[in-house]
Amino acid sequence: GAGVSQTPSNKVTEKGKYVELRCDPISGHTALYWYRQSLGQGPEFLIYFQGTGAADDSGLPNDRFFAVRPEGSVSTLKIQRTERGDSAVYLCASSSSGGAVGELFFGEGSRLTVL
Amino acid sequence: GNSVTQMEGPVTLSEEAFLTINCTYTATGYPSLFWYVQYPGEGLQLLLKATKADDKGSNKGFEATYRKETTSFHLEKGSVQVSDSAVYFCALRSTQGGSEKLVFGKGTKLTVNP
Repeated sequence: GAGVSQTPSNKVTEKGKYVELRCDPISGHTALYWYRQSLGQGPEFLIYFQGTGAADDSGLPNDRFFAVRPEGSVSTLKIQRTERGDSAVYLCASSSSGGAVGELFFGEGSRLTVL
Repeated sequence: GNSVTQMEGPVTLSEEAFLTINCTYTATGYPSLFWYVQYPGEGLQLLLKATKADDKGSNKGFEATYRKETTSFHLEKGSVQVSDSAVYFCALRSTQGGSEKLVFGKGTKLTVNP
């Protein structure tokens, strides 16, 4: 597709379960970002990939959160032992260029609800 | 660290009213500044940007000027429409310190009534 694709669009899980969220960026975009958006808040940075490697993972809240991008395209955000506080919309974005000026293109997000 | 503070909402206006949403920032170095918009049921999309001091970004009748002296990037529109109802996010992006992440404000919800 033409835009950033995220699946699933909605995920409901129980506390303690494992969750994977997938992001398919715009073809050819080397930079990929994960953000988390809680209700009424702005997106909060989690992790940034340049190619296959995580260039900045300073936003991951703890070691239950992990993300991979093994072939430099699709990325998966993995959350272990989910907690109710993990409930949020998880946003993925991609960009064709590095530096401070490149535009980020966002997907519509994956809404995670932890019961 | 880098941060963005924007005017808290919600903001409710009548059609054709003048809009200002204030945004100030704290950053090391010389960041680029952005306004993103999130329409109901849609993903975030770039509205406008400015990459250096005194630059003016504009799109769809919206404007914002990068003011380094006041560290501000206020969003304005002379005559709003019902279709402008959305949540607006101010953001900055800086390569200082080796990270290229976008830092967002909390968002301002705008409702325009006919």
